[in-house]
Amino acid sequence: GQQVMQIPQYQHVQEGEDFTTYCNSSTTLSNIQWYKQRPGGHPVFLIQLVKSGEVKKQKRLTFQFGEAKKNSSLHITATQTTDVGTYFCAAQNAGGTSYGKLTFGQGTILTVHP
Amino acid sequence: DTEVTQTPKHLVMGMTNKKSLKCEQHMGHRAMYWYKQKAKKPPELMFVYSYEKLSINESVPSRFSPECPNSSLLNLHLHALQPEDSALYLCASRLHALVVIDGYTFGSGTRLTVV
Repeated sequence: GQQVMQIPQYQHVQEGEDFTTYCNSSTTLSNIQWYKQRPGGHPVFLIQLVKSGEVKKQKRLTFQFGEAKKNSSLHITATQTTDVGTYFCAAQNAGGTSYGKLTFGQGTILTVHP
Repeated sequence: DTEVTQTPKHLVMGMTNKKSLKCEQHMGHRAMYWYKQKAKKPPELMFVYSYEKLSINESVPSRFSPECPNSSLLNLHLHALQPEDSALYLCASRLHALVVIDGYTFGSGTRLTVV
């Protein structure tokens, strides 16, 4: 089945530092979604990227989709303690009728030290 | 209403018990999902319902039995579970299953412990 590799597994930063997590697939993706899960919470949808080379921004968060639609990244500028949590990418393969089935990356656990 | 509501939030059950998890949404979403999540792991898909019909069963053991009584409700019936089934069970919904135009809306989950 489809696999999405996400790195790093863990990231510890000082408040104010930047943070980036990366997702890579060996196959072309229809789209990629990003979710944030706070400790003890549930995943919350952040954004969906569909177009090759797409870049979207949400305040301090910048999301990119690769030109070949096989990789994506999430970059947070000047982290805050409220950014703590696990960030998941979730991807859907191009083509097929998978009923919206997404394959999640393993997640990056972000810790922010004040 | 932009939420998916799951009950109960916590459940402890014995291996011989029968229990049910409930999920409800009133956003008009026609695709509903059950996911299982272990600690520090990503959610794993269990079942997909599209327009109240079971569309995907990810080879889930028969001790888990899903049910979709109507477009707003999703149940997961549990029977004879094993301790390794202890996990966070997440319900999610989206507008349509076949057209990926939106992200999942997840409920807050049921934290299940099997003793």
